[in-house]
Amino acid sequence: DSGVTQTPKHLITATGQRVTLRCSPRSGDLSVYWYQQSLDQGLQFLIQYYNGEERAKGNILERFSAQQFPDLHSELNLSSLELGDSALYFCASSVDVRDGGELFFGEGSRLTVL
Amino acid sequence: GESVGLHLPTLSVQEGDNSIINCAYSNSASDYFIWYKQESGKGPQFIIDIRSNMDKRQGQRVTVLLNKTVKHLSLQIAATQPGDSAVYFCAENPLSGAGSYQLTFGKGTKLSVIP
Repeated sequence: DSGVTQTPKHLITATGQRVTLRCSPRSGDLSVYWYQQSLDQGLQFLIQYYNGEERAKGNILERFSAQQFPDLHSELNLSSLELGDSALYFCASSVDVRDGGELFFGEGSRLTVL
Repeated sequence: GESVGLHLPTLSVQEGDNSIINCAYSNSASDYFIWYKQESGKGPQFIIDIRSNMDKRQGQRVTVLLNKTVKHLSLQIAATQPGDSAVYFCAENPLSGAGSYQLTFGKGTKLSVIP
């Protein structure tokens, strides 16, 4: 158990809909990362938050957004869903990278868009 | 664009043998590399890491080798066990000095251990 909690574990929805994925980082970790894992693209970095503020952005679509709340949990919002958004979405957390330390991944939220 | 890739998509080894999983990277700016293990239905799990100022690092039954000249990374697993069966990813962090784990992952190698 990595200590990172993601909900829901599975989600099935239709094209055009909007979903929210939730992540609780490990206790004490200030950084939260979102990654997408699909069969054709592999694991792709989407976005990082540190202590409530966006720190880095990767290959995140404009239809997707995220935020980190004062209690450090994070949500990834996916809107106007398309078939190609079907994937595993992982949240990961770490202490401030400047101090070293590894990245801990949750077990993922599997999104299926029909 | 630059990316991290793996030479072999699948690898089968006999239990007790040593396994070697290879990875090629192309971003010469990367200075931090990590190997992850992903079991079915789970998230990636950290195995071992290495910084670019090193060429070898050992852990428990695992060794990572880094050859910066040819931009090659390998993971060696000694005395492979059935519990080692998983997909292994190499990842690089080209911005390790920026306070961010914007990891670029390879496609993964599936390791199957034959009892």
